[in-house]
Amino acid sequence: EGQLVQSGAEVKKPGESLTISCQGSGYSFTSYWIGWVRQMPGKGLEWIGIIYPGYSDPTYSPSFEGQVTISTDKSISTAYLQWASLKASDTAIYYCARAYGGYVGIGFDPWGQGTLVTVSS
Amino acid sequence: EIVLTQSPGTLSLSPGERGTLSCRASQSVTSTYLAWYQQKPGQAPRLLMYSASSRAAGIPDRFSGSGSGTDFTLTISRLEPEDSAVYYCQQYSSSLFTFGQGTKLEIK
Repeated sequence: EGQLVQSGAEVKKPGESLTISCQGSGYSFTSYWIGWVRQMPGKGLEWIGIIYPGYSDPTYSPSFEGQVTISTDKSISTAYLQWASLKASDTAIYYCARAYGGYVGIGFDPWGQGTLVTVSS
Repeated sequence: EIVLTQSPGTLSLSPGERGTLSCRASQSVTSTYLAWYQQKPGQAPRLLMYSASSRAAGIPDRFSGSGSGTDFTLTISRLEPEDSAVYYCQQYSSSLFTFGQGTKLEIK
């Protein structure tokens, strides 16, 4: 079935860089698309982008294009979400999630446990 | 970009009742690419339905989905207290995903 385990909570200052991770286990990491989703405090879900590990360039939501970078390291079954310069408005929980059944677009399952990113001066 | 609008914003029902949640798209959505999620406080979302009407693995048959084009519905029959959660619809079109804003279901 497989699972995704994300890196721990982060507290950063505005302008700092950050990379959070999402490690897949129990399945063939290179056979499933991985997506990232943001949830700001008390708000709904926002799709950030998606990548097919090791085989494709990521596709980003227009709202996040140029703001974050998605990548993978298939040698360690890990996906990454990266910021070059954080803003206070990046404060949120970030989830990674795997494409259900291996097919992009029909849904995401399973999900990682989420990584809380807090950006404050 | 397709916008998904969910209604109602909040739904308050009693155990044993039927809950009907709506998801309306700004443009036609291929049913294959319409999904529903449940999110409980402090938890990651969980996939309930995919392809509009197919239950994900382990989802009880109290949950059902229907619809096509621009109008989709998630129905929860025989509500239980554990169904209290926020429910989101999601679509995929032109290589982009969007989520609805969510419906909060309260079980009185």
